[in-house]
Amino acid sequence: AQKVTQAQTEISVVEKEDVTLDCVYETRDTTYYLFWYKQPPSGELVFLIRRNSFDEQNEISGRYSWNFQKSTSSFNFTITASQVVDSAVYFCALSEAEIQGAQKLVFGQGTRLTINP
Amino acid sequence: ETGVTQTPRHLVMGMTNKKSLKCEQHLGHNAMYWYKQSAKKPLELMFVYNFKEQTENNSVPSRFSPECPNSSHLFLHLHTLQPEDSALYLCASSQATGTSYEQYFGPGTRLTVT
Repeated sequence: AQKVTQAQTEISVVEKEDVTLDCVYETRDTTYYLFWYKQPPSGELVFLIRRNSFDEQNEISGRYSWNFQKSTSSFNFTITASQVVDSAVYFCALSEAEIQGAQKLVFGQGTRLTINP
Repeated sequence: ETGVTQTPRHLVMGMTNKKSLKCEQHLGHNAMYWYKQSAKKPLELMFVYNFKEQTENNSVPSRFSPECPNSSHLFLHLHTLQPEDSALYLCASSQATGTSYEQYFGPGTRLTVT
């Protein structure tokens, strides 16, 4: 069975600090996709990144960066110079093999990130 | 309207009521999903529709009844719910092709069962 573990339930840092959110996954599939979503207080999940299992290149987007390591089954997310607006719940997710083209996402428990001014 | 919309945003219903949640996507996607998010559990996939056909029912009780009349609209019909069904219900959509595309979520309906 596929599983995503976000061991950090809550993280609280002061603004401008760097923070890393951990994500560890389990799957037997050789082809899979990993995602990060942000859920602000409004409730809507906002897509941040998608990474397929064949692409281990790290990615940077502004203050956000992602470190994908197949050897440790991890897909960690780092926010550099955090800001109060980064406060949200962040979810890591894994996509199983497609069901006739649609996806079945398995989510981690989420990490509540609070950035204090 | 853009993206994925859900109505109502908040719903309070008694255990004997019948109500429906509505989801509409304006992204041209052909797969739609219902998720349940409660305080004690991670996001749970409930139903998947691909080109209007239900392809996944994740052991959801029959008091939840989905309907997908076309690729843009998805409903969740509710009847004789239990207090433990109180949760945030999220709708999502995605492309359904040979590549795994990201899902786009609506703002959710906050359901309270009294």
